[in-house]
Amino acid sequence: SYVLTQPPSVSVAPGKTARITCGGNNIGSKSVHWYQQKPGQAPVLVIYYDTDRPSGIPERFSGSNSGSTATLTISRVEAGDEADYYCQVWDNIGDHWVFGGGTKLTVL
Amino acid sequence: EVQLVESGGGLVQPGGSLRLSCAASGFTFSTYWMSWVRQAPGKGLEWVANLKQDGSEKYYVDSVKGRFTISRDNAKNSLYLQLNSLRVEDTAVYYCAREGSRSGDPFDYWGQGTLVTVSS
Repeated sequence: SYVLTQPPSVSVAPGKTARITCGGNNIGSKSVHWYQQKPGQAPVLVIYYDTDRPSGIPERFSGSNSGSTATLTISRVEAGDEADYYCQVWDNIGDHWVFGGGTKLTVL
Repeated sequence: EVQLVESGGGLVQPGGSLRLSCAASGFTFSTYWMSWVRQAPGKGLEWVANLKQDGSEKYYVDSVKGRFTISRDNAKNSLYLQLNSLRVEDTAVYYCAREGSRSGDPFDYWGQGTLVTVSS
C-alpha cells in the first residue's frame, strides 16, 4: 500500500520559515492535502490540491509538490502555528485515503 | 454554518459493538462524499472508511474490513459507522469529515470527534 513519510518534528524560530516534507513514491503525480491539528482539536485543512489555500488560511501557508516530495511551507512563523501537520493523498490503487505520520512543528 | 456532530462513543469490551452517528447540518448532505477518520491516543490520523453520496461506493482501510460498516441516511442528514468485533487497538477518537463532491476532494470540515475505548 502507498506510504507517506513525514519527519516526526521540525523546529523553527519565530519569524523564520518552516518547511515540512511529505515523501511518497512519485507523489508529484498525486494531489496532496495538508491539515493542521492543535492539541485537543479536530484537524483543519490548510492546503489542498498541492497549492490551494482555503479561505481563512493565512497567505503565509503555501504548498508545492514534485517528484517524490510534497512540501508545506509556513513563512514568518508565529507561535500560534505550533501544531501537528499531516499530509494526505488518495491512493487510487488501493482505493483508500492515506495520511502521513504527522510532523510536530515547534516554535522556539 | 457547516456542523458535524458525532455521538455514540463509549467504553466497550473486546469483541463488542458500537454504532457511531454523525449529524450534519448547514450544507446539502446528499451531495458530498463523507469519511470517518480515527486517532488513537497520542498517535496520528488514520482514515477508516468513506462513502459516496448515494451509497453506491464505499471503501475501508484494510484493518477494519469485515468488522466495520459505513452507511448514511440522506433524509436524516446522518452518517453512521457500525463497529463490530472491536479490538483494543480500535481505541481512538473517531472523527466524521466532509469530503467534496468528487472522489479525492479534501476534508474541508470535521466534527469534534467521539471517543471509543475498547477495554476489559
